[in-house]
Amino acid sequence: QKEVEQNSGPLSVPEGAIASLNCTYSDRGSQSFFWYRQYSGKSPELIMSIYSNGDKEDGRFTAQLNKASQYVSLLIRDSQPSDSATYLCAANDNYGQNFVFGPGTRLSVLP
Amino acid sequence: NAGVTQTPKFQVLKTGQSMTLQCAQDMNHNSMYWYRQDPGMGLRLIYYSASEGTTDKGEVPNGYNVSRLNKREFSLRLESAAPSQTSVYFCASSPRVRGYQPQHFGDGTRLSIL
Repeated sequence: QKEVEQNSGPLSVPEGAIASLNCTYSDRGSQSFFWYRQYSGKSPELIMSIYSNGDKEDGRFTAQLNKASQYVSLLIRDSQPSDSATYLCAANDNYGQNFVFGPGTRLSVLP
Repeated sequence: NAGVTQTPKFQVLKTGQSMTLQCAQDMNHNSMYWYRQDPGMGLRLIYYSASEGTTDKGEVPNGYNVSRLNKREFSLRLESAAPSQTSVYFCASSPRVRGYQPQHFGDGTRLSIL
């Protein structure tokens, strides 16, 4: 059973702090990784994708990938109350038939 | 710029009734997916369609059927609804099966089975 694991949270950080969200995956065949944000009652929204080891930055978001450790993370700098949501990590193999989502981490940014 | 459109947005059924959830995408994507999401749980794949004319079971297919009507449309049918099928259903699409392609989601259908 291919799995993606996340700490369910809630993760609480003060406004302006860095929020760090972590994800591990079991399938070494996974090649692409995605972070989705899901507000309560809404659908998942893609915010970051990463395919190579290292860091990828997009505005206040940085995704980090370490394939040797089977570990993906998302850093949110200068966290805002509007960042409060559930963040879903997903992994996909190169054939697209094993797109697996983690259970999500609930983030709460406190004003 | 509609993306992925799901209908209906809300539905209440009685046990044993049948219904079809509709999904259409206007992004010319090859692959389409149906998920269910229950409180406190992640997304669970029900069925997917890698390309027009093909469908495959996901993690939780029992009690559901699907039809890939054409490249744009992928429907999910509950033949005899059960209370355990109360959930939020999401349809998603991606450009192709192979390669590094994320999925894009519709707004969801909130389904209650009484």
